[in-house]
Amino acid sequence: AQSVTQLDSQVPVFEEAPVELRCNYSSSVSVYLFWYVQYPNQGLQLLLKYLSGSTLVESINGFEAEFNKSQTSFHLRKPSVHISDTAEYFCAVSPFSGGYNKLIFGAGTRLAVHP
Amino acid sequence: GAGVSQSPSNKVTEKGKDVELRCDPISGHTALYWYRQRLGQGLEFLIYFQGNSAPDKSGLPSDRFSAERTGESVSTLTIQRTQQEDSAVYLCASSPTGMTEAFFGQGTRLTVV
Repeated sequence: AQSVTQLDSQVPVFEEAPVELRCNYSSSVSVYLFWYVQYPNQGLQLLLKYLSGSTLVESINGFEAEFNKSQTSFHLRKPSVHISDTAEYFCAVSPFSGGYNKLIFGAGTRLAVHP
Repeated sequence: GAGVSQSPSNKVTEKGKDVELRCDPISGHTALYWYRQRLGQGLEFLIYFQGNSAPDKSGLPSDRFSAERTGESVSTLTIQRTQQEDSAVYLCASSPTGMTEAFFGQGTRLTVV
């Protein structure tokens, strides 16, 4: 079975400051890794994903995440946040074992960017 | 084509009534997921359908909850004898074979009064 732990339920930060949202996972098989974002009063949308290849993946709005297999982590970072980044961020994993791809989410981290 | 469509978008029901929530996945997506999101909380896995395989029902919280999917088409989540603690947003997602990305619907907000 897989599980996902997001270590911080809330992260307050000032605008233009760097931020890191932590995600650790547990799995007995290899996994795909995802970060989803939920802006206020909106649906979930994919921010970035790691499927294979380079362990550093980037989104179009400046976020990046690095897959660290030895530490079973997939932390999300941004060097300089904007007010518009205020949202709930969810880390998720899916095992790649044949055709079985159950998607399991962490509890979420609420990022609040203050002016 | 269109994204994942869920209906109704909002549902208010009386305690003890049954409700049925509908999800239309993206055409061709073999996998379909249901999640529950209580106010201010994360996504709670309910059930996962993958093609014609037996569904993974391990997340259904009680026998009042059931879901069906015919082939790779529409899915319905049924909650019988609703309770106030069932109030939440119910999210549906679908993905193509191989899970490169799951696409979410806008959800159904269920309020049990």
